Amino acid sequence: DTGVSQNPRHKITKRGQNVTFRCDPISEHNRLYWYRQTLGQGPEFLTYFQNEAQLEKSRLLSDRFSAERPKGSFSTLEIQRTEQGDSAMYLCASSLVAGGADTQYFGPGTRLTVL
Amino acid sequence: EDKVVQSPLSLVVHEGDTVTLNCSYEVTNFRSLLWYKQEKKAPTFLFMLTSSGIEKKSGRLSSILDKKELSSILNITATQTGDSAIYLCAVAENTGTASKLTFGTGTRLQVTL
Repeated sequence: DTGVSQNPRHKITKRGQNVTFRCDPISEHNRLYWYRQTLGQGPEFLTYFQNEAQLEKSRLLSDRFSAERPKGSFSTLEIQRTEQGDSAMYLCASSLVAGGADTQYFGPGTRLTVL
Repeated sequence: EDKVVQSPLSLVVHEGDTVTLNCSYEVTNFRSLLWYKQEKKAPTFLFMLTSSGIEKKSGRLSSILDKKELSSILNITATQTGDSAIYLCAVAENTGTASKLTFGTGTRLQVTL
């Protein structure tokens, strides 16, 4: 399977714990995005990388959230001191920028439940 | 604030019907509009539209963009139960570096036998 992959697919944690999610983009894609989706809503942008550089962060991304893409390939999203409001589906997408337009392809998501 | 509004919020049709889903947007620097289909997992890409009036078509699905009216429609003809899903509309802005998508809340389509 050469699509975007995410691990784990499900994570249940207790409030106050730290969690880390991983995203492996499509291999030749240079852009990687993180989104968060809650029930009944469309995905909301969190942050994105071009290669290893994090170029934009949403105001939704509080200081408890950090994302990295150390070698310009896979990315991790860490949430420290989780809160119940962090419960959501965390989606990763990747794209190849060519000729201006880029189409984002999404992974299956990591569903986080904070108890 | 950028906004994408989809209508209707939900729709129930019989197999074989034709449906039209609507998307309107307000963004500062429009680059493109994308349609995605979301079943139980991640959104899967359907179409990207950048030019007004040009119809994109794939099988029974088609979409057209109206940049003057800041809107797009997604048509599905001869619907099948496998078309049941949430259809998401998203807009990408032309900001030089960012290509973040602003999504609508989606239209939930249910196709019954």
